[in-house]
Amino acid sequence: EVQLVESGGGLVKPGGSQRLSCAASGFSLSSYSIDWVRQAAGKGLEWVSSIRSRTTSVYYADSVKGRFTISRDNAKNSVYLQMNSLRAEDTGVYYCARDSSYFEDGMDVWGQGTTVTVSS
Amino acid sequence: QSVLTQPPSASGTPGQRVTISCSGSSSNIGINYLYWYQQLPGTAPKLLMYRNNQRPSGVPDRFSGSKSGTSASLAISGLRSEDEADYYCAAWDDSLSGKVFGGGTKLTVL
Repeated sequence: EVQLVESGGGLVKPGGSQRLSCAASGFSLSSYSIDWVRQAAGKGLEWVSSIRSRTTSVYYADSVKGRFTISRDNAKNSVYLQMNSLRAEDTGVYYCARDSSYFEDGMDVWGQGTTVTVSS
Repeated sequence: QSVLTQPPSASGTPGQRVTISCSGSSSNIGINYLYWYQQLPGTAPKLLMYRNNQRPSGVPDRFSGSKSGTSASLAISGLRSEDEADYYCAAWDDSLSGKVFGGGTKLTVL
């Protein structure tokens, strides 16, 4: 079965760090781009970051640029989101999603999400 | 404030046809593909439409997408109770070098 599973969420203090993982199964992650999308409680979807397959180009939303780093380990079939200098407004459910190499086919596989809570 | 603009809500009765609009600009919808996602309560989003008007396998043909200029729309015909969900449009934005979502439209089936 093709699926993505996120992990690493939890409670973290403002200014702290957290690393999220997105593990793929049923397909080779190296052939796809991966996105992180978050959703605050009762709010809409917000794109956070993307990492392209093959070229490993990375992209970030302005709201996280300089604080978050996306990376991939094709050998482990996983993508990571390192989140530093966390703020209360980073609280929410973080989803990873699969997209095609050039982002043309949409995010067709989503994980179940992992919850990050930034609070003192 | 979302880069793509959607109405916050829409509604219809079973069997009816409803449309949800998505407005953007020349740096996103105007030159890039538009995507639609459906999010049922308490679940992860699901890809509903890609490349403006293409349905992934398994999406009923009651759903259709269109794009013209810097605007797009999602149409749902033969509305069913299970269509009650939040719908989001999304696109790549060349100016931002990133993806952008609409604020979402909550569809209620009366």
